[in-house]
Amino acid sequence: NAGVMQNPRHLVRRRGQEARLRCSPMKGHSHVYWYRQLPEEGLKFMVYLQKENIIDESGMPKERFSAEFPKEGPSILRIQQVVRGDSAAYFCASSPSDRPGGYTFGSGTRLTVV
Amino acid sequence: DQQVKQNSPSLSVQEGRISILNCDYTNSMFDYFLWYKKYPAEGPTFLISISSIKDKNEDGRFTVFLNKSAKHLSLHIVPSQPGDSAVYFCAASEEGANSKLTFGKGITLSVRP
Repeated sequence: NAGVMQNPRHLVRRRGQEARLRCSPMKGHSHVYWYRQLPEEGLKFMVYLQKENIIDESGMPKERFSAEFPKEGPSILRIQQVVRGDSAAYFCASSPSDRPGGYTFGSGTRLTVV
Repeated sequence: DQQVKQNSPSLSVQEGRISILNCDYTNSMFDYFLWYKKYPAEGPTFLISISSIKDKNEDGRFTVFLNKSAKHLSLHIVPSQPGDSAVYFCAASEEGANSKLTFGKGITLSVRP
């Protein structure tokens, strides 16, 4: 029973490039959450998705960031035209329901923008 | 604005003694609270939670206490073990908020053998 799989584990991008972060939820989990952790900070909510639907994107920056969770395949967090301030650890979590506490987190993708 | 505050960045305790990790919150709409443990280069792992209708929840060596009037919760680990050394995050959820969690900045616990 594989956990939440995130890839890549580490991603280096030059300023202005695009970053694509992938998250495969646990089997049977249809709720996906993305969080970002900046250095010396706690995790900050970005977006909550169910299959083919964005439920809550109140934590997403207004520009350059987008997320999807298609009917088939992993959830994708996409960052266009990355800047140094995007350097962070991005964590995905999945849950079988929308009740709090049911999360299982992945190991994260560490994005470094150079 | 920091709605969940973990004011002590680190704590060091002797193996076998009690570890007490504190957390304060400002949003009175929070009704569910959780503690997560995180090792370097790994994702957070759920430890224990408490609903606002309770003031205590216990699971093995871990107990969480909630004082709603003070908007304060604490995690007690007894007895502490070296394997407990990690970063501990307090998190809170607001009813009807689609289980979105608000996290504190974390406390680094070191348990000395």
